[in-house]
Amino acid sequence: GQQLNQSPQSMFIQEGEDVSMNCTSSSIFNTWLWYKQDPGEGPVLLIALYKAGELTSNGRLTAQFGITRKDSFLNISASIPSDVGIYFCAGQQIQGAQKLVFGQGTRLTINP
Amino acid sequence: DVKVTQSSRYLVKRTGEKVFLECVQDMDHENMFWYRQDPGLGLRLIYFSYDVKMKEKGDIPEGYSVSREKKERFSLILESASTNQTSMYLCASSPWTVPEAFFGQGTRLTVV
Repeated sequence: GQQLNQSPQSMFIQEGEDVSMNCTSSSIFNTWLWYKQDPGEGPVLLIALYKAGELTSNGRLTAQFGITRKDSFLNISASIPSDVGIYFCAGQQIQGAQKLVFGQGTRLTINP
Repeated sequence: DVKVTQSSRYLVKRTGEKVFLECVQDMDHENMFWYRQDPGLGLRLIYFSYDVKMKEKGDIPEGYSVSREKKERFSLILESASTNQTSMYLCASSPWTVPEAFFGQGTRLTVV
């Protein structure tokens, strides 16, 4: 089955730095979602995007639905230690189809 | 508070055993999903169900089966566990109207 290409696979940053990660696909997606997974837990939804070009913020997090509908970006500003975890992008390909396709994840490590 | 609950956080089973992973959601969601998560591979869909007694294969159904006798409960069955099924298993649910999935805490299964 198709997976999304998520990059980078891992990031090692200093506390206070900004973070950017992205997801790309050769196919068009109708919805993009971003999840965060803390160690030993299930993923938790951070942001949902439903329109091409849409830019949505949730606190220090900002995500965008690419205008081509084939990509999405997540930015985290002024990182803090609790941002550590794995971030996944997920997309819904067909309107009304309830399955999500996931990226491989970006593992974020923060040095205090 | 919405909740998806998986019956076990950790399981250790022997090769050849029949294994049941249980998942319950309290949100009256129509859709339920089983994923497995392996390092570097992201989340891969095993099976999903959009209604009671309905099921559809995901991307990696081989070696697994599922059961959904009640709307709130979705079970994953490993008919004869093998060591290559050692993984983190995640259950999720979503409403019919939007693809935003809510995840359980995960079951880390080790087959020895």
